[in-house]
Amino acid sequence: AQSVTQLDSQVPVFEEAPVELRCNYSSSVSVYLFWYVQYPNQGLQLLLKYLSGSTLVESINGFEAEFNKSQTSFHLRKPSVHISDTAEYFCAVSLTGKLIFGQGTTLQVKP
Amino acid sequence: DTGVSQNPRHKITKRGQNVTFRCDPISEHNRLYWYRQTLGQGPEFLTYFQNEAQLEKSRLLSDRFSAERPKGSFSTLEIQRTEQGDSAMYLCASMILGTGNTIYFGEGSWLTVV
Repeated sequence: AQSVTQLDSQVPVFEEAPVELRCNYSSSVSVYLFWYVQYPNQGLQLLLKYLSGSTLVESINGFEAEFNKSQTSFHLRKPSVHISDTAEYFCAVSLTGKLIFGQGTTLQVKP
Repeated sequence: DTGVSQNPRHKITKRGQNVTFRCDPISEHNRLYWYRQTLGQGPEFLTYFQNEAQLEKSRLLSDRFSAERPKGSFSTLEIQRTEQGDSAMYLCASMILGTGNTIYFGEGSWLTVV
């Protein structure tokens, strides 16, 4: 069975500092991997995804994630965060067309 | 694309009442999903449709829950005899099968059972 573990429930960080949100997954077969972001009282927005090919994927707003098959990880990183990045971030895996989500990580960016 | 549309956005109901949520997926998206999300948790899969066929239901979907997608377009999620534990946000999402497995979510419907 597939599962997703987000290792940190909350990550406080100062503005302009780098950040890494950790995600590990469990699956016996190849999977597709996703990061979604959720702002307060809103639905989920796709941030980036890994389907195949280059293991480093990037989003349009400066986030990147690297697929590491040997460590079964898909950590999300950003070299310099902004106040507006404060949100809930969810890692997810997909195999049979549905998404299985982790518990989420709250990114709190402080001025 | 106009995005996935859900209504009502908020619903407060008394325990024991029935509620129905509607989801309009992105046009031509053949897959439609329902998820439930409680505070501080990740979304939990409930069920999904491919066109009008309901292909999978989670064990979370008790007999009080029923979902339909009668014409392969919009979908409804009905909860009968609501309980306080049903209080959550119900998320709808849609996808075109075979185009990169990207699932797009709506804004969600908040249910509060009092």
